[in-house]
Amino acid sequence: EPEVTQTPSHQVTQMGQEVILRCVPISNHLYFYWYRQILGQKVEFLVSFYNNEISEKSEIFDDQFSVERPDGSNFTLKIRSTKLEDSAMYFCASSERADQETQYFGPGTRLLVL
Amino acid sequence: GNSVTQMEGPVTLSEEAFLTINCTYTATGYPSLFWYVQYPGEGLQLLLKATKADDKGSNKGFEATYRKETTSFHLEKGSVQVSDSAVYFCALSKDTGGFKTIFGAGTRLFVKA
Repeated sequence: EPEVTQTPSHQVTQMGQEVILRCVPISNHLYFYWYRQILGQKVEFLVSFYNNEISEKSEIFDDQFSVERPDGSNFTLKIRSTKLEDSAMYFCASSERADQETQYFGPGTRLLVL
Repeated sequence: GNSVTQMEGPVTLSEEAFLTINCTYTATGYPSLFWYVQYPGEGLQLLLKATKADDKGSNKGFEATYRKETTSFHLEKGSVQVSDSAVYFCALSKDTGGFKTIFGAGTRLFVKA
């Protein structure tokens, strides 16, 4: 069964450094998403992406964040200058269509900012 | 706005006990409703879903019915196992100009042997 993959599974970085989290969505999916889950808290929406554009973003997704689909398979989340409070599990998701279609989640990247 | 409220945990049960985790939602129109499960140290897995009123989603002995009149989607299982210990998230997905999944806070379930 096709699945969403994410790399790395864990990343440790110093405050102020840039990080890029990578995702490979399911191949025929067109809609892509990033979510995050701070330890012990609920999963929060960050951004949705379709047709090489951001469709929607939350108030969390400020200028420090950016997303990109650099080629036909990868979908990346960049955090330009990490802060301690960016430490969280980051989930990528994809869906085939936008109309209430189920989103399939990757296993997550656990980011720790020191 | 759209939101999901689920019962606080943790819920602790003995093996073979009956499980109910309550979930209610607030949304205009007709969202799709989901239960996701997160096992320790792992990511989110879709457990079951329902896309319209009175639909029943089911998987691995779990089931939930989409009740529009009570705006609820309670998760039930007749006989839990130790391996069901996890965090369960109720969620909805609806067109809000883009699509995103809105999650409840999660309910941690512990099942004792």
